[in-house]
Amino acid sequence: IAGITQAPTSQILAAGRRMTLRCTQDMRHNAMYWYRQDLGLGLRLIHYSNTAGTTGKGEVPDGYSVSRANTDDFPLTLASAVPSQTSVYFCASSDSKGTTQYFGPGTRLTVL
Amino acid sequence: ILNVEQSPQSLHVQEGDSTNFTCSFPSSNFYALHWYRWETAKSPEALFVMTLNGDEKKKGRISATLNTKEGYSYLYIKGSQPEDSATYLCAFLNSGGSNYKLTFGKGTLLTVNP
Repeated sequence: IAGITQAPTSQILAAGRRMTLRCTQDMRHNAMYWYRQDLGLGLRLIHYSNTAGTTGKGEVPDGYSVSRANTDDFPLTLASAVPSQTSVYFCASSDSKGTTQYFGPGTRLTVL
Repeated sequence: ILNVEQSPQSLHVQEGDSTNFTCSFPSSNFYALHWYRWETAKSPEALFVMTLNGDEKKKGRISATLNTKEGYSYLYIKGSQPEDSATYLCAFLNSGGSNYKLTFGKGTLLTVNP
């Protein structure tokens, strides 16, 4: 692994289903983030984690949950997907406050 | 919610033209201002992280300036090339507490015509 990876690349999901988007980084960064990208709205922060064992809510957290059991992994879970969660999801990481964020390749999620 | 505005929303220039665009952010509680370049179907990539008032950063033909007192940053591209076509995002980080959360602008979409 080099950098930050996300899985799956894309997914079509029925409404009401549970889904976990995976994110793994090998840079030993302290902080990790989940964003969604929607046309006309830019990148919006869903949840973040400053360090392993802690998480926080971003701008649009409703309907999503995260966990940070270790430094490398930061999964995002949709407990019961709804069509408004159709979006492209980007995971990112950074070493510390104020430093560059490195983005994963994104997951395109469609909820029908 | 912090207000980060970018202008213009989109820009079309000819190859060889120089161009610039603006990012406006809150002038209080400043910690850092980031610029990212985002090509279609790819991930955002960092251009600059700016932290000091009066900072000027340069990377090849791209440069940026920062005015934290009045809350704006300019990104300049000298002699635009078709490969510069992308969305340019700025993101603001405030100094409040220990949070690491960036607030992104909606970006400026640059198209460079050959």
